Amino acid sequence: DSGVTQTPKHLITATGQRVTLRCSPRSGDLSVYWYQQSLDQGLQFLIQYYNGEERAKGNILERFSAQQFPDLHSELNLSSLELGDSALYFCASSAGTVANYGYTFGSGTRLTVV
Amino acid sequence: AQSVTQLGSHVSVSEGALVLLRCNYSSSVPPYLFWYVQYPNQGLQLLLKYTTGATLVKGINGFEAEFKKSETSFHLTKPSAHMSDAAEYFCAVSPSGGYQKVTFGTGTKLQVIP
Repeated sequence: DSGVTQTPKHLITATGQRVTLRCSPRSGDLSVYWYQQSLDQGLQFLIQYYNGEERAKGNILERFSAQQFPDLHSELNLSSLELGDSALYFCASSAGTVANYGYTFGSGTRLTVV
Repeated sequence: AQSVTQLGSHVSVSEGALVLLRCNYSSSVPPYLFWYVQYPNQGLQLLLKYTTGATLVKGINGFEAEFKKSETSFHLTKPSAHMSDAAEYFCAVSPSGGYQKVTFGTGTKLQVIP
């Protein structure tokens, strides 16, 4: 157990629907990062939050949004889902700067859009 | 901007043989470099990291990597492969300093043959 908790582990939904993925960072970690892992694109950085504020944005679609709450858990919202959104979505956390600690990853949410 | 290139999407070694996974990086500023391992149906786990100082970095499970600035490389090695080393390995880079995202390579799947 890495200490980063992601729920749900698996999600199957239809095209056009909206889902919410949840991440609880490791205790004491202030930064949360979301990544998408697919066979054709590898690990793609989506977005980073630090202590409730957005810090960096990557290749995140406009249909996707995220937030980090005061208790530091984060949610990734995916809407108007398409077949191509099927992927593993990972959350990672770090205490501060990435260099000092590296990331701690959760076990991911496998999203299947049918 | 930073990027990493992992040479070889699949590598096969015999049990007990040397493991060598290659990674070259590109970074406009001094990089921080990482190797992660992903076992099936799990998140990524940090193997080792280079930030500053000693260029030979030792990690978990007997792995080590050497930062070679002149060659812009950070290859991962292990003297003797075990069956349990079969996994996917990701090289990653982050620019030094600040709250910076990590950019991952496309991964190398290591197969260990008995």
